[in-house]
Amino acid sequence: DTEVTQTPKHLVMGMTNKKSLKCEQHMGHRAMYWYKQKAKKPPELMFVYSYEKLSINESVPSRFSPECPNSSLLNLHLHALQPEDSALYLCASSQVDFVDRGGYGYTFGSGTRLTVV
Amino acid sequence: SQQGEEDPQALSIQEGENATMNCSYKTSINNLQWYRQNSGRGLVHLILIRSNEREKHSGRLRVTLDTSKKSSSLLITASRAADTASYFCATDSYMIYNQGGKLIFGQGTELSVKP
Repeated sequence: DTEVTQTPKHLVMGMTNKKSLKCEQHMGHRAMYWYKQKAKKPPELMFVYSYEKLSINESVPSRFSPECPNSSLLNLHLHALQPEDSALYLCASSQVDFVDRGGYGYTFGSGTRLTVV
Repeated sequence: SQQGEEDPQALSIQEGENATMNCSYKTSINNLQWYRQNSGRGLVHLILIRSNEREKHSGRLRVTLDTSKKSSSLLITASRAADTASYFCATDSYMIYNQGGKLIFGQGTELSVKP
C-alpha cells in the first residue's frame, strides 16, 4: 500500500460546527503532516508529527487541533472555523531521517476540500 | 511562510517541446524536491535532490541544484499533454533529525502543454 487516504473528500460546515478530517497511511512512515492550500497558492505547512508526537506547529490558530492516535492515523479537529479557513487540506507522510541521509520525499493524499459557511 | 520564488509563473508550450522551470530559495537546505499537482488535488512527488548533489535525472526529468546561488531548475523533455499541471519546488530544512521534515513550497509554475 503506497497511498495516503483522506476522508472526507468534501466537507461543508457551519461556523459553529465541530468536524474532523481523517488521514491514514500504511507505509510505515513515522512522520505525518497537515498542509493547507488556498486556490492558486502553494501548500502551507500547518503541523508535523514524528513518532506520534507533535514536533512542529506553524503558529496555527487553536480552532485547528491535530491528533495522532497511532502511527497510521492523523486527525485534524475543526471547531468554530471562519469562512477564510475554506481551503484544500492536505495530509502527507514520509520516512524519518535518523542520520544525515538527506531526507525523503513525501506522499500526499488527495485532500479534503473544506467550505465554511 | 514560503521559501522562495518560481519562474515563470505560467508556461505554455507545444507537445514535444521541452519545459524549464526555475526555483529560488532563501535558507540553507537539506534537500530540494519537485512536485506536480493536477487540478488542485493531491501532490505527486517527482524527484528529490540532496544538498550535496548538483544534477539528477529521472525518466524525462532533469533537475539541477546550485546551492551557491540558492536555485534549482526542473527540465521536462519531450513534453506531453498529460504533463499539463502545476509544478512546485519545495525545500526541506529540518534541523533536528528524528523529528520529521519541514517541507516549504515555492509559488509554483502552471504548465500547459498543447497537443
